[in-house]
Amino acid sequence: QLQLQESGPGLVKASETLSLTCSVSGGSFSSSRYYWGWLRQPPGKGLEWIGTIYYRGSTYYNPSLKSRVTISVDTSKNQFSLKLSSVTAADTAVYYCARPTLVGAQIDIWGQGTRVTVSS
Amino acid sequence: QSALTQPASVSGSPGQSITISCTGTSSDVGGYNYVSWYQQHPGKAPKLMIYDVSNRPSGVSNRFSGSKSGNTASLTISGLQAEDEADYYCSSYTSSSTLELFGGGTKLTVL
Repeated sequence: QLQLQESGPGLVKASETLSLTCSVSGGSFSSSRYYWGWLRQPPGKGLEWIGTIYYRGSTYYNPSLKSRVTISVDTSKNQFSLKLSSVTAADTAVYYCARPTLVGAQIDIWGQGTRVTVSS
Repeated sequence: QSALTQPASVSGSPGQSITISCTGTSSDVGGYNYVSWYQQHPGKAPKLMIYDVSNRPSGVSNRFSGSKSGNTASLTISGLQAEDEADYYCSSYTSSSTLELFGGGTKLTVL
């Protein structure tokens, strides 16, 4: 069964770059059917889509974050990554990696989430 | 673009049925059948409960059902159980540059 696991620092300083990696195990990473994505959830708030990447490299980003976000994929390692630059306290959230079937369509597999705090 | 609109909270007694609404526009909920519903228990990742408006993933109880009318999608939970107490989020594809929208979430309390 396909599983996703986020990893990365739990504390990032303001103005620096947040970097997270999602490791995919238990299935085919390069399936043509699926995309790979990142979402986040600030404390006590709802879900926000950050961006999605197709395994061949096409990327789709939330316009509100686009200028600061880079999502990349490393098929040789069965991993995909998120970089969010110039972070502020507003970027403090639980970050989830996930597998949507299409951009904007259902997400059937989620990582457990990793909490990232931006400190001043 | 604004998030989809959900009630902040709903409640019901065990055995009863409840419905959670999710209102958008013709550019998202009303224009496409890419509406999904997620259940989230405290401290846990969301779980897909309904996709493409009314389809249930394998393993999800048939007590959960989805529908859509115009720009409003709905999630109905019948035969409420204590374990259904959670936050529920709707999402939809949107033709705007945002591509994907989420509702603000609805807290379901089982009395």
